[in-house]
Amino acid sequence: DTAVSQTPKYLVTQMGNDKSIKCEQNLGHDTMYWYKQDSKKFLKIMFSYNNKELIINETVPNRFSPKSPDKAHLNLHINSLELGDSAVYFCASSDQGNRFRSHYNEQFFGPGTRLTVL
Amino acid sequence: LAKITQPISMDSYEGQEVNITCSHNNIATNDYITWYQQFPSQGPRFIIQGYKTKVTNEVASLFIPADRKSSTLSLPRVSLSDTAVYYCLVGDRTGKLIFGQGTTLQVKP
Repeated sequence: DTAVSQTPKYLVTQMGNDKSIKCEQNLGHDTMYWYKQDSKKFLKIMFSYNNKELIINETVPNRFSPKSPDKAHLNLHINSLELGDSAVYFCASSDQGNRFRSHYNEQFFGPGTRLTVL
Repeated sequence: LAKITQPISMDSYEGQEVNITCSHNNIATNDYITWYQQFPSQGPRFIIQGYKTKVTNEVASLFIPADRKSSTLSLPRVSLSDTAVYYCLVGDRTGKLIFGQGTTLQVKP
C-alpha cells in the first residue's frame, strides 16, 4: 500500500492555465506538506498544514493555495500558471501527535508530480 | 533565516565510510537536525535525526558537536546503491523548515 500518493505523476500545461495536484496519505498523520523542487534539486517548503493551522512560506505566490477536504488529503491548486512554476512538487506527511510542537518528526514523501509549463 | 550549507558533491568507493558535513549557523535552541536521502524520480526518504551528540541507527550515524552549528552524517561501508542525493534539514528561528542544497554522493565500484 502506498503511504503517500500524488496524482498526476506528470502534468504538462500552458501558461495561464489553472491546475490542481492531489495528495493523499493513508498513514493517519495529522500534518501534511507541499514542497517544490527546482531544476537544481533545491527543495523548498511551500506549506505545512494540520487541521488547526496553515503555515505558509511567505515567498510562495498567492497563486498557490492548499485545500484540505479532510485529514488525509491536501491538494495544491495553482492559478495562472507561469513558466517559473515548472518543477517537481512533493507532498509529505508526518505525525506531530501531542508532542511539543516540532516540525522534525519524520516526514513521508510522495513520489512527486513533475509540472511542466509551456 | 538560517543558512544551511553542505558540499555539492562527493565521490567514494564501495566499502568506504562516507562523511557528509552540513553547516547550520543560527540554529535555534529547539531545532532538530534531520537528514534525508533521495534517489532519482523518488521523494526524499528519512535517514536519521538528532539534537546533539551522537545518534546511530541501522543505516547511519549522526554526529553533532556541542555548539550544534554543524552536523556530520556518516555512512559506513557504502555500496553502489547508496548513490543518491543527501539533504540536511534544519529549522530556523521562525520555525520554518530549511533544506540544504543537497550533496550528490557517487559511489564507484
